[in-house]
Amino acid sequence: EDQVTQSPEALRLQEGESSSLNCSYTVSGLRGLFWYRQDPGKGPEFLFTLYSAGEEKEKERLKATLTKKESFLHITAPKPEDSATYLCAVIGNSGGYQKVTFGIGTKLQVIP
Amino acid sequence: NAGVTQTPKFQVLKTGQSMTLQCAQDMNHEYMSWYRQDPGMGLRLIHYSVGAGITDQGEVPNGYNVSRSTTEDFPLRLLSAAPSQTSVYFCASTKDRTGGPSPLHFGNGTRLTVT
Repeated sequence: EDQVTQSPEALRLQEGESSSLNCSYTVSGLRGLFWYRQDPGKGPEFLFTLYSAGEEKEKERLKATLTKKESFLHITAPKPEDSATYLCAVIGNSGGYQKVTFGIGTKLQVIP
Repeated sequence: NAGVTQTPKFQVLKTGQSMTLQCAQDMNHEYMSWYRQDPGMGLRLIHYSVGAGITDQGEVPNGYNVSRSTTEDFPLRLLSAAPSQTSVYFCASTKDRTGGPSPLHFGNGTRLTVT
């Protein structure tokens, strides 16, 4: 059974204080790992897809990296508007349909 | 583009009542799905569809029905609401039916309370 574990559950940063969120996964044949951002009262919003170990993607202050066992979402010099819950999800070889396994998320609060 | 639109945003039901959560997308996506999100748990798949006329069960299908008569619409029916169905429900779609991984596009959810 595919599993996704995110840590920490909550993270409080001062504005400008860089940090990383962790996503550890167990999946049978990784086809893709996703990062989403979810604001309160909204649906998850897609950030990145990573397909293979060693891959990296960047968007503004966010950088996602992938190894064979985990992914990191690095946040450089965060701003208050980066406050949100960040979700990690994986797709494995499940026999032909989009079986996506989500983690519980990391709730990030950036304080001015 | 509106993307994925869900209605209503909020709903309160009494135990035993039935209702339909609406979901529509304007991106011509073949794949559509319903998730529920509960505190302390990741998003869990209820039902999904890979095209008009085709639906299948996800991880937690009991108590829910779906149909897909058009590419655009994918309603979720609660047959007889129970307090355990109190949750936030998200509809999501993506362009790939079963092939290479593509990101899901989510609606903004329906917050359902069953008393």
